[in-house]
Amino acid sequence: AQSVTQLGSHVSVSEGALVLLRCNYSSSVPPYLFWYVQYPNQGLQLLLKYTTGATLVKGINGFEAEFKKSETSFHLTKPSAHMSDAAEYFCAVRNTGGFKTIFGAGTRLFVKA
Amino acid sequence: EAGVTQFPSHSVIEKGQTVTLRCDPISGHDNLYWYRRVMGKEIKFLLHFVKESKQDESGMPNNRFLAERTGGTYSTLKVQPAELEDSGVYFCASSGGASNTGELFFGEGSRLTVL
Repeated sequence: AQSVTQLGSHVSVSEGALVLLRCNYSSSVPPYLFWYVQYPNQGLQLLLKYTTGATLVKGINGFEAEFKKSETSFHLTKPSAHMSDAAEYFCAVRNTGGFKTIFGAGTRLFVKA
Repeated sequence: EAGVTQFPSHSVIEKGQTVTLRCDPISGHDNLYWYRRVMGKEIKFLLHFVKESKQDESGMPNNRFLAERTGGTYSTLKVQPAELEDSGVYFCASSGGASNTGELFFGEGSRLTVL
């Protein structure tokens, strides 16, 4: 069965500092991997995804994530945090050829001025 | 293009009452999903429609939950009778169309509180 573990329910960084949100997954077949973001009072929206090919994936708003098969990880990073990045971030996995997307518990990012 | 819309945005009901949540997916999306998030935990899969057919309903908690998608357009999720543990945010998402890249498009969610 697939599962997603996000380390840390809350992460706090200073504006301009590196953002690192951790995600580990388990999947018996090659996965599709996603990061979604939820801003207050909004639905989730896709930040970036990995399907095949290059393992370093770039998304919107300067975020990127690297698929590391050997570590079963898909950590999300951004070199310099901005106040507008404060939101909740969800890592998700889906089997290639499947339709069910499994989500992690989410990590709320706080950005301090 | 209109996004996924959900109604109501908030619902407060008493234990034992019935609530019906509605989801209008993006036009042309054959895949429609229901998810639920309870008290800051993970977003849990409930079920998946392909057009009007239930493709996977393995996440439905019990037979108090009934989902329909008549005509393959909008979907409803009815909880009858509601219990305290049904409280949470119910998300609807859709995918598909001309380029199905696996991305889910979410509504803003329906927050259900059962007292």
